[in-house]
Amino acid sequence: EIVLTQSPATLSLSPGERATLSCRASQSLSSYLAWYQHKPGQAPRLLISDASNRATGVPARFSGSGSGTDFTLTISSLEPEDFAVYYCQQRSTWPSTFGQGTKLEIK
Amino acid sequence: QVQLLQSEAEVKKPGASVKVSCKASGYSFTSYPIHWVRQAPGQRLEWMGWLNADNGNTEYSQNFQGRITINRDASASTAYMELTSLRSEDTAVYYCARALHYFDLWGRGTLVTVSS
Repeated sequence: EIVLTQSPATLSLSPGERATLSCRASQSLSSYLAWYQHKPGQAPRLLISDASNRATGVPARFSGSGSGTDFTLTISSLEPEDFAVYYCQQRSTWPSTFGQGTKLEIK
Repeated sequence: QVQLLQSEAEVKKPGASVKVSCKASGYSFTSYPIHWVRQAPGQRLEWMGWLNADNGNTEYSQNFQGRITINRDASASTAYMELTSLRSEDTAVYYCARALHYFDLWGRGTLVTVSS
């Protein structure tokens, strides 16, 4: 089973700042990685698929990069609604697995 | 509106079973697989299994083999996940999610609490 390790566990930033979230895999994923946003009481939301493809309706301030074992989600300028928990997920190898999450909180 | 509507929270005793429903609306139910994912308190999301909503075929995580059944009523656009022999470690929020390759539509989750 592939293990995904996200860092940092918590990221404290202010609106307008740039956020950089990391996801590292225990083995190569090629580009088969997604990012999700999750707010309390809501359904998780797909942001990025195949490492760098924004999902429909996702603002351009969200971008994904990386391949192999190291991936990054960047939010270029934080909006108040961006404060949430973010998860990465791989579909390279069955079973699909998730990272433990990064909580993005308001500083 | 494209959505997955899940059943309400449940409280079960150890050893009991729970069945969670997931009703799809706004799209063709049989065109997309439905997956079940859970998150226990303080734990990461864990994939449990998936259903081919068209033909009813299923595949389960080895972590749940023998305890999980996923099926559907295609006429009602509804998928079900039943977990048996519940234990306290099964206390979690259970999500259904639509996925061709990635989980592009999720339900809001159903909290299942296992407590004596």
